[in-house]
Parts: sequence; structure tokens; C-alpha cells
Amino acid sequence: DTEVTQTPKHLVMGMTNKKSLKCEQHMGHRAMYWYKQKAKKPPELMFVYSYEKLSINESVPSRFSPECPNSSLLNLHLHALQPEDSALYLCASSQDAGLSDTQYFGPGTRLTVL
Amino acid sequence: AQSVTQLDSQVPVFEEAPVELRCNYSSSVSVYLFWYVQYPNQGLQLLLKYLSGSTLVKGINGFEAEFNKSQTSFHLRKPSVHISDTAEYFCAVSDRYNNNDMRFGAGTRLTVKP
Repeated sequence: DTEVTQTPKHLVMGMTNKKSLKCEQHMGHRAMYWYKQKAKKPPELMFVYSYEKLSINESVPSRFSPECPNSSLLNLHLHALQPEDSALYLCASSQDAGLSDTQYFGPGTRLTVL
Repeated sequence: AQSVTQLDSQVPVFEEAPVELRCNYSSSVSVYLFWYVQYPNQGLQLLLKYLSGSTLVKGINGFEAEFNKSQTSFHLRKPSVHISDTAEYFCAVSDRYNNNDMRFGAGTRLTVKP
């Protein structure tokens, strides 16, 4: 099983809403990632979790709050977002942190902030 | 941090023709190099990667890439493309000593015409 799943596929939210994006993998990977991808742009790294601990935070605004409840799950909590936060949010995982391991990507959640 | 330049934002090509998608990276240290493909409304899928060893890397779907250290390039090639190869292609680089931080190029849109 080399699949990373993400829910929901699509999300529309207002600027005052609180919502969460979920990511799950059952490959035994110990590193998990959140990326943001705007239309016609490359993915931009947001957060990296290694062994369930936050290891990289690329200066992301606090309205995005990541959480790694266990080694298979990664959440991204959203609160008070802005319309410019509308994008495709991609989750990825890799076998281990700091090694030459392939990142496996999920299909993404397309977020629209009204 | 590493950076990647994909020299062509769009590459149109006819079916069964050869194609080369260009990628250059900036680095003063050892790197890992990757090519990912993104089909419309989907996540990223790894085509191939260079970690060490042979400079010619073969990937899935008939793609290959050649690592050229002196020219800091990692161009992607396919001898005969299909309509189904139409997609966005991203070159990515990570620092050998900080593999969590992978940087993507801006992407090349490959359009295969009948």
C-alpha cells in the first residue's frame, strides 16, 4: 500500500470558520509534510513532522496549525483564513527523516476561502 | 537553500515525438534530484530520482534523466511521447544533508498533440 489519503477533496469555508484537513498513510512512514500549491505554481513546503514532532515550520501564519496525533495521521487546522489562502493543500510522507527517501503525495484538498 | 530552474514553462510536442524537459539546480553541496508529474486535479507522482551512482536514471512510463554535475543539470527525456503524458512536470532538489527540505522548480507544462 503506497497510498496517502486526504480528506476532504474539496472544502469551501468563510473567513470566520474553523475547519481541519486530514491526511493518513499506512506505509509506516515516520516523516509527514504539508505543502501549499497555488494555481500554476509549484508546491511550497509549509510543515514537516519527523517522528511525530514538528521539525520544520516555513514561517507559516498562525492561522494554520498542524497536528500529528500519531505516526499515521497528520491534520492541518484552519482558522480565520484569508481569500489568498485558497489553494491545493498537499500532504506527503516519506520513510524516514533526513534520508534520501521518496515523498509520496496524496491527491490534495482544494480549499476555497470566501 | 537549494533552488531549481525549469527553463521552459510550456513544451508543446506532437505524439510519438521525443521530448526533453530541462532542469538546472544551484548547489555547492551534494544533492538529491527528483522529477515528479502532476496530472490535472491530482497530487504529485514520482517519475524518477537521482541519489548517487549511475548518472543515467530510468523511471516509470519510459522517462529517463541524466545527472550532469559539471552543468548542474538534470534534464528529463522520453524518446516517444503519448497523449497521456500531457501533464505538469516538476523538477525538485533536496540537500543531501537536509533531505526534509525539498524545493520544487516552477514546473513545465507538457502538452502532447495528436
